[in-house]
Amino acid sequence: GAGVSQSPSNKVTEKGKDVELRCDPISGHTALYWYRQSLGQGLEFLIYFQGNSAPDKSGLPSDRFSAERTGGSVSTLTIQRTQQEDSAVYLCASSPHGQGSYNEQFFGPGTRLTVL
Amino acid sequence: AQKITQTQPGMFVQEKEAVTLDCTYDTSDPSYGLFWYKQPSSGEMIFLIYQGSYDQQNATEGRYSLNFQKARKSANLVISASQLGDSAMYFCAMSSFSGGYNKLIFGAGTRLAVHP
Repeated sequence: GAGVSQSPSNKVTEKGKDVELRCDPISGHTALYWYRQSLGQGLEFLIYFQGNSAPDKSGLPSDRFSAERTGGSVSTLTIQRTQQEDSAVYLCASSPHGQGSYNEQFFGPGTRLTVL
Repeated sequence: AQKITQTQPGMFVQEKEAVTLDCTYDTSDPSYGLFWYKQPSSGEMIFLIYQGSYDQQNATEGRYSLNFQKARKSANLVISASQLGDSAMYFCAMSSFSGGYNKLIFGAGTRLAVHP
């Protein structure tokens, strides 16, 4: 496909379970970002990848959150031992490159995570 | 620290009228970009318009224009000739380039309702 894709679109899990969220960026985009949007709020930056490395993990809210990117393409955001406050929409974005000036980020449709 | 402030949680406008959505920002970086995104009820983030901190002219994209007042640190979005399809959440965001890469800092958003 031409755009950023994310899976699953919806995920319902029980408190304490681990979840994995997947992002497929636009082909050729070297920069990839994860954001979180809680109900009625703006987007909160989580982590930035340039290629396979993550120069900025400053937005990850706790050590239960981790992310990786392989082959400079697909990224997986993992949340361990989920808590109810993790319920949110997790959005992925990619851009042709992460550095320098204006660099539009293209967003995926998001994964809505609900922790019961 | 960088911050984006959107003081209008909700706005309404009559169809075909113009509306201004407010955005102020705070940064110590000399080089930055300002973005507006639209988020309809379907959830996707749609890029609308961009303004670079060194751009001399205010950005325009069709019915969207950005009223950039650098000294006041404001970047208001003006939508002319509102349409029913403009009803959505609107987010102002800022990206700093001095860190060597882009990440977006978002405001809390303004919900716009266009009335017939």
